Amino acid sequence: DSGVTQTPKHLITATGQRVTLRCSPRSGDLSVYWYQQSLDQGLQFLIQYYNGEERAKGNILERFSAQQFPDLHSELNLSSLELGDSALYFCASSVRRSGEQFFGPGTRLTVL
Amino acid sequence: LAKTTQPISMDSYEGQEVNITCSHNNIATNDYITWYQQFPSQGPRFIIQGYKTKVTNEVASLFIPADRKSSTLSLPRVSLSDTAVYYCLVGDIRDSNYQLIWGAGTKLIIKP
Repeated sequence: DSGVTQTPKHLITATGQRVTLRCSPRSGDLSVYWYQQSLDQGLQFLIQYYNGEERAKGNILERFSAQQFPDLHSELNLSSLELGDSALYFCASSVRRSGEQFFGPGTRLTVL
Repeated sequence: LAKTTQPISMDSYEGQEVNITCSHNNIATNDYITWYQQFPSQGPRFIIQGYKTKVTNEVASLFIPADRKSSTLSLPRVSLSDTAVYYCLVGDIRDSNYQLIWGAGTKLIIKP
């Protein structure tokens, strides 16, 4: 158990819908990262927040957005969902702006 | 633009030493090189991190040459449980945007 929690564990929805994925970092970690991993694919870095502010941005679609709240938990919002958005979404956290990342168990999103 | 390149797959046998190399032609000057291990349907797990020369911990060694354009993860005396996907991670500053660049992963299969 990494100490990073993600909810929900599974999510099934339809095309065009909007969903919110939630992540709680390890106690004391200030950085939160979001990743997308499609079936049998590598990790795609989406975005990183550090202490409430955006720190780094990867290939995140305009339909996706994220934020980190004052209590340091983070949410990833996915809108106008498409079939291709079906994937495992991982959240990770770290103490500093860079360094060892601890990954959560992931949220498996299925878009039908 | 920075890019990380690693072999798609490798095979080895129990008890052997395995070396996986990642090429990263333009990492950020101050950034570290990090390696992660991932089992199916789980989040990646930190293995080792280094800046230059050699780093060793209880599970692996990391060799980084002076030019830092590559790194080699060394797993001593592998076992069947080391069968997993291994990712290298470096940072990259593109214009003023800092990004995390993950390799595509090396699928390591250990045979008895």
